Amino acid sequence: GQNIDQPTEMTATEGAIVQINCTYQTSGFNGLFWYQQHAGEAPTFLSYNVLDGLEEKGRFSSFLSRSKGYSYLLLKELQMKDSASYLCAVVDSNYQLIWGAGTKLIIKP
Amino acid sequence: DGGITQSPKYLFRKEGQNVTLSCEQNLNHDAMYWYRQDPGQGLRLIYYSQIVNDFQKGDIAEGYSVSREKKESFPLTVTSAQKNPTAFYLCASSGEAHNEQFFGPGTRLTVL
Repeated sequence: GQNIDQPTEMTATEGAIVQINCTYQTSGFNGLFWYQQHAGEAPTFLSYNVLDGLEEKGRFSSFLSRSKGYSYLLLKELQMKDSASYLCAVVDSNYQLIWGAGTKLIIKP
Repeated sequence: DGGITQSPKYLFRKEGQNVTLSCEQNLNHDAMYWYRQDPGQGLRLIYYSQIVNDFQKGDIAEGYSVSREKKESFPLTVTSAQKNPTAFYLCASSGEAHNEQFFGPGTRLTVL
């Protein structure tokens, strides 16, 4: 079966750095998305990786290793508004989007 | 402004009643999707449509129905056959099937 694993919850301090991991086992791979979702709101797009390596976009970076079936989202200079759930989603060989359950990130002052 | 709209944001229904959730997009996207999200869980695909007048079942289609008569619209009907309809429903669209998806604000359905 297809599976995406993320930690259920993480806590970090304002101003610090946090890394949210995502591991996947899917039938094929055609890219990996990270989305941010604030409570009660719709997910919003953060990043898309299809090749190995690090993609940097402001305070957020996303890394992919296809051989390891692994990705992480790195958030720097954490702000209180970064408190949200972060969803990892993989595009499989049928171009179906497989979603992880999300990681709830709690930022403390 | 281009985007996806869902209405209403909150919806209450009595058990045994069918209810239709609306989803409209003006992004000129071909593909549209309906997801269900329960507390503490990820998104589960109900139905998707890659083109007008065509749609496919997702992972949890039982108790739901959809139509795609227009490119802009993809309404979802939650029927009385759906055992646990209370959930947060999200509609999304993408320019090509399963590329970056853009989401509407969601409808929170509560069945009493």
